[in-house]
Amino acid sequence: DTGVSQNPRHKITKRGQNVTFRCDPISEHNRLYWYRQTLGQGPEFLTYFQNEAQLEKSRLLSDRFSAERPKGSFSTLEIQRTEQGDSAMYLCASSPQGLGTEAFFGQGTRLTVV
Amino acid sequence: TQLLEQSPQFLSIQEGENLTVYCNSSSVFSSLQWYRQEPGEGPVLLVTVVTGGEVKKLKRLTFQFGDARKDSSLHITAAQPGDTGLYLCAGEDSNYQLIWGAGTKLIIKP
Repeated sequence: DTGVSQNPRHKITKRGQNVTFRCDPISEHNRLYWYRQTLGQGPEFLTYFQNEAQLEKSRLLSDRFSAERPKGSFSTLEIQRTEQGDSAMYLCASSPQGLGTEAFFGQGTRLTVV
Repeated sequence: TQLLEQSPQFLSIQEGENLTVYCNSSSVFSSLQWYRQEPGEGPVLLVTVVTGGEVKKLKRLTFQFGDARKDSSLHITAAQPGDTGLYLCAGEDSNYQLIWGAGTKLIIKP
């Protein structure tokens, strides 16, 4: 296992198009997080899965955003009808369960909406 | 809403100088983690502190967790250009969620 993998690394799309990103977590980790990060800022929480269950969604996550983790392994994040304000780095992280657990991040998907 | 405030937001110093980055909250955390992030990459974990008053050292980096587990500091001794990056702290709440600071952008000039 080489860590958390995200695809694609970069995505340029026209405003109004739909995009989907994929995250493959570390295999034994049952927690998976999606974050959004803009330049020079810390990660902004979007949503969180415990196995296949989506346990929490940020109020920042509009109806255009949806995430799934159908078999408790990989996850997808879809953005519908993209807007320029969606341009950001989208980070996925996974962690095992328990106190003091550490989040392992993927390299992110950089989205540019033109 | 739990908040984690990091300071300073930006720091640019000469190689060889010492520096301290702070992470403060009014909330108690189960643990606190420090990450470093380089441009175009995801954050990479440096250390996790769990016990109030705990001090951990990683070469020239010293991490301390406050006695009340509400704050933490990162001290770098004799900073080097390779230390340049975005330093992020994240506190773990009672729901195992990570609450993130906004980060400290550190530049070490040769």
